[in-house]
Amino acid sequence: QKEVEQNSGPLSVPEGAIASLNCTYSDRGSQSFFWYRQYSGKSPELIMSIYSNGDKEDGRFTAQLNKASQYVSLLIRDSQPSDSATYLCAVKPNQGGKLIFGQGTELSVKP
Amino acid sequence: DVKVTQSSRYLVKRTGEKVFLECVQDMDHENMFWYRQDPGLGLRLIYFSYDVKMKEKGDIPEGYSVSREKKERFSLILESASTNQTSMYLCASSHPGVAGAFYNEQFFGPGTRLTVL
Repeated sequence: QKEVEQNSGPLSVPEGAIASLNCTYSDRGSQSFFWYRQYSGKSPELIMSIYSNGDKEDGRFTAQLNKASQYVSLLIRDSQPSDSATYLCAVKPNQGGKLIFGQGTELSVKP
Repeated sequence: DVKVTQSSRYLVKRTGEKVFLECVQDMDHENMFWYRQDPGLGLRLIYFSYDVKMKEKGDIPEGYSVSREKKERFSLILESASTNQTSMYLCASSHPGVAGAFYNEQFFGPGTRLTVL
């Protein structure tokens, strides 16, 4: 079982819709969770961090964390074509300073 | 804003050459990382460092070495480049946070696309 799992996609949504990206992790002691956005040919860019159960909102982005279910998600409201990218979920395990990255979900927002 | 810079955006080298990839961060971060990213394989950790003169192997260290002589600079060295080391190389840095805090957000440089012919 992979330590951090994401659906590879591609996930296709129409412009203006809500895009829902999901991630599960295996280390129950994990404490920090991150979402990165990566445009084709570019490096990953941190867009959200979440550390406690519940929702965290930042503009059109909402991160949701459920530690009991070992599940973290990213919602993108009012999706725009400029949101088309690969979204990487990253988890900091209980020990050490490394992050464990998922394989990423490719999102395509159609005009 | 955190700034992580990498010495080259694109690099073309010949098989057998020694290759140096440089990474510099300006936020006084203790932690620095080198990854490679290939289609279908995701991000793979090569080496990382939690302090000056300190290094730890990641998941795929074979064929690579690193150097961290100063806190802000972390170099990746390909001792004898091979074609299977053609890849996008990404450097990242993070602050370990204080006791009881969890942070560790990693900030990435722009990447170096290395082609080995």
